Amino acid sequence: DADVTQTPRNRITKTGKRIMLECSQTKGHDRMYWYRQDPGLGLRLIYYSFDVKDINKGEISDGYSVSRQAQAKFSLSLESAIPNQTALYFCATSDFWQGADTQYFGPGTRLTVL
Amino acid sequence: QKEVEQNSGPLSVPEGAIASLNCTYSDRGSQSFFWYRQYSGKSPELIMFIYSNGDKEDGRFTAQLNKASQYVSLLIRDSQPSDSATYLCAVKKGNQFYFGTGTSLTVIP
Repeated sequence: DADVTQTPRNRITKTGKRIMLECSQTKGHDRMYWYRQDPGLGLRLIYYSFDVKDINKGEISDGYSVSRQAQAKFSLSLESAIPNQTALYFCATSDFWQGADTQYFGPGTRLTVL
Repeated sequence: QKEVEQNSGPLSVPEGAIASLNCTYSDRGSQSFFWYRQYSGKSPELIMFIYSNGDKEDGRFTAQLNKASQYVSLLIRDSQPSDSATYLCAVKKGNQFYFGTGTSLTVIP
């Protein structure tokens, strides 16, 4: 089984709808992240969390919210989806390994907002 | 100014050649530096990281860091067609990671 899983893997929704993307991990890492990836813009950090009581905004948090339900679960919500939120979304975890805080990515969720 | 800059490519090399990928970063406070490989439609996978000046080798891959020039590179020796992918450079600054837009590499058989 994959260490970092994301559901759903693909989602098509309409403008104005609320949508939640879920991430679960079995790696036992405290740190979790949500990114979006757009062609020509690369990966950009939306939110990150270092434990269930610690939530932090990243570069592009406007229009998004998150919930850290447990060490293993970190959800991303779009309260009212808009077309420019169409992107590939990745969840990641990180842990210190050989002196560096190293990230591990889930398989991604492809979101299309019509 | 972007935190991390990469040449988007595409970069093409023949099989067996050395591929050289480059990355610059803007903030001298950046602490550690990562190279990820990403196949089309897939998630990034870590190749290697470096946080001290100089070279670090892992198999066919060598990462080079020059903090004075704010420059990170990745060399891939004996390039294989399976190395064809987009390579992402990332830096960690404070608690956040910043990614470049990636360089597309094609290894021609």
